[in-house]
Amino acid sequence: KAGVTQTPRYLIKTRGQQVTLSCSPISGHRSVSWYQQTPGQGLQFLFEYFSETQRNKGNFPGRFSGRQFSNSRSEMNVSTLELGDSALYLCASSPRGIAPYEQYFGPGTRLTVT
Amino acid sequence: AQKITQTQPGMFVQEKEAVTLDCTYDTSDPSYGLFWYKQPSSGEMIFLIYQGSYDQQNATEGRYSLNFQKARKSANLVISASQLGDSAMYFCAMSAIFGNEKLTFGTGTRLTIIP
Repeated sequence: KAGVTQTPRYLIKTRGQQVTLSCSPISGHRSVSWYQQTPGQGLQFLFEYFSETQRNKGNFPGRFSGRQFSNSRSEMNVSTLELGDSALYLCASSPRGIAPYEQYFGPGTRLTVT
Repeated sequence: AQKITQTQPGMFVQEKEAVTLDCTYDTSDPSYGLFWYKQPSSGEMIFLIYQGSYDQQNATEGRYSLNFQKARKSANLVISASQLGDSAMYFCAMSAIFGNEKLTFGTGTRLTIIP
């Protein structure tokens, strides 16, 4: 079974621009979650999508948004980029609510904002 | 609210020795899962092992085992016969099983295996 894929793997953007990151979950997994990892804040939950609906949201400003498509693929968007948005963005997929509840991560997208 | 505490920022272990990475947690969720992930320098989070709060037996996956002590709220990871490739960051995490299934992570432990 293919793992979680994320594109692109690396991005360099300028302050004020916007960016869209993509995540394809493991086949059969309907839940996709997004996390931000920075050296200062560690791993923080952004949001979770399940069956095209946002189920949970972390404590991030409205500049961070996402969506999920009918094939469970998900995108997250960050508008008006700030230097502090430089991070590794990880997405995870899970079957949600079905044992054994593991969540599997993709390789991440490393975003650098200059 | 959930909280994960990893008190060992870094550890150095001789190759082929066993190593225990500490993790304590706190939660008000009646049913929850505990996870360990490995993150090599490449950045990818690799799932290692899962323990459900309702599981009577400790989880094992190859060289990995999870020492689950529910009353003490601890979920330590034990790696037997460590290898050079085990050098990485290790994160303990937890989530509720029903409802909000977001993962709450600890700050991680950097494990270095010495040849």
